[in-house]
Amino acid sequence: EVQLLESGGGLVQPGGSLRLPCAASGFTFSSYAMSWVRQAPGKGLEWVSAISGSGGSTYYADSVKGRFTISRDNSKNTLYLQMNSLRAEDTAVYYCAKFPRVVVAADAFDIWGQGTMVTVSS
Amino acid sequence: QSVLTQPPSVSGAPGQRVTISCTGSSSNIGAGYDVHWYQQLPGTAPKLLIYGKSNRPSGVPDRFSGSKSGTSASLAISGLQAEDEAEYYCQSYDSSLSGYVFGTGTKVTVL
Repeated sequence: EVQLLESGGGLVQPGGSLRLPCAASGFTFSSYAMSWVRQAPGKGLEWVSAISGSGGSTYYADSVKGRFTISRDNSKNTLYLQMNSLRAEDTAVYYCAKFPRVVVAADAFDIWGQGTMVTVSS
Repeated sequence: QSVLTQPPSVSGAPGQRVTISCTGSSSNIGAGYDVHWYQQLPGTAPKLLIYGKSNRPSGVPDRFSGSKSGTSASLAISGLQAEDEAEYYCQSYDSSLSGYVFGTGTKVTVL
């Protein structure tokens, strides 16, 4: 069964850092591009970042550029989101999602994890 | 804020057909990028419902269908069932933003 499992969420102070892992199983991880999408409480979905299957190409939403870093370890079947200089407006459930191809393209997100909650507050 | 606009809510009786619109612009839907649709049940992660030109992942009933015209797209749900009560989001790619954009979301209520 194809599965994505996020972890690492929690409460962090403004200006702090957090790293979110997403463990993948049930498919050949390195053959697919991956992404992070977030959802603030009671709000809609917002794309955050994407990475190609090899990890050689990365993309970011303007709202997180320069503060967040996406990476992957294909030997561990794990996707990461390093979040620095966190702000209150980063408070959200963070989902990892899989693309249907190895490259980052104008595709749908075909598999989603269950999400992990990040709260930025003093 | 969201680049794609959806009605906040739609409702229908069991068995009826409802449609959800998704309005974009010349840099996303109007530029020819595919529109995809997701269903989010309360307290759960989004699930892919429709991708590309009205394609359904395995397990999605054929009651769900998608269409696109110009700078807009639509999701139709025919034979509405109680289990279809959920939030629905459209999604595309935007060349001006160089990123993925979602709709504002539509809450479907079965009367």
